[in-house]
Amino acid sequence: EAGVTQFPSHSVIEKGQTVTLRCDPISGHDNLYWYRRVMGKEIKFLLHFVKESKQDESGMPNNRFLAERTGGTYSTLKVQPAELEDSGVYFCASSPPGTAYNSPLHFGNGTRLTVT
Amino acid sequence: AQSVTQLDSQVPVFEEAPVELRCNYSSSVSVYLFWYVQYPNQGLQLLLKYLSGSTLVKGINGFEAEFNKSQTSFHLRKPSVHISDTAEYFCAVSEGGNEKLTFGTGTRLTIIP
Repeated sequence: EAGVTQFPSHSVIEKGQTVTLRCDPISGHDNLYWYRRVMGKEIKFLLHFVKESKQDESGMPNNRFLAERTGGTYSTLKVQPAELEDSGVYFCASSPPGTAYNSPLHFGNGTRLTVT
Repeated sequence: AQSVTQLDSQVPVFEEAPVELRCNYSSSVSVYLFWYVQYPNQGLQLLLKYLSGSTLVKGINGFEAEFNKSQTSFHLRKPSVHISDTAEYFCAVSEGGNEKLTFGTGTRLTIIP
């Protein structure tokens, strides 16, 4: 089966610009997560979708971040306007229906975002 | 709130030597514990997990970890490492009933030939 795919793999933008990251989960995976790793620090939870609904968005840093999952398939994460502190690696993960404990999270390779 | 501490940011080990990567957590409720590995240019993969039952958990690629509730630790071990084990290893915790994972800062394991 195809894994979780993320686009682009790298993005370099200037402060104030807009960037949209995309995640295509494994087919049939209702759960979709976004995580972020700022350089050298821990990987932090951003939000969790179940199908098209936001189950938990407690990790979203501020209202410059907007996540969507239209039709419960792929998801986008838009940062507008981007700030320097938004730089990092953004990971997407998915898992089948039900709790993630019995079904491991499948991670994408991440999108490395650099804001200059 | 839960938190995870991985004290060692980098661990160099000679090939075929044993290794232990340390992980301590803090939480006020029962937790589930995980180790993930990230090989170069890849996403994270689950190595092993502890949900309940036996405190010694065996995972893929010869790794194992032991849950110690009194020490609030979940250290990862392998008796003999290989070059292919070169990667970054992340400990993670989830408080019971919450699907959100809290990760540590990662430990970069380097194998010396």
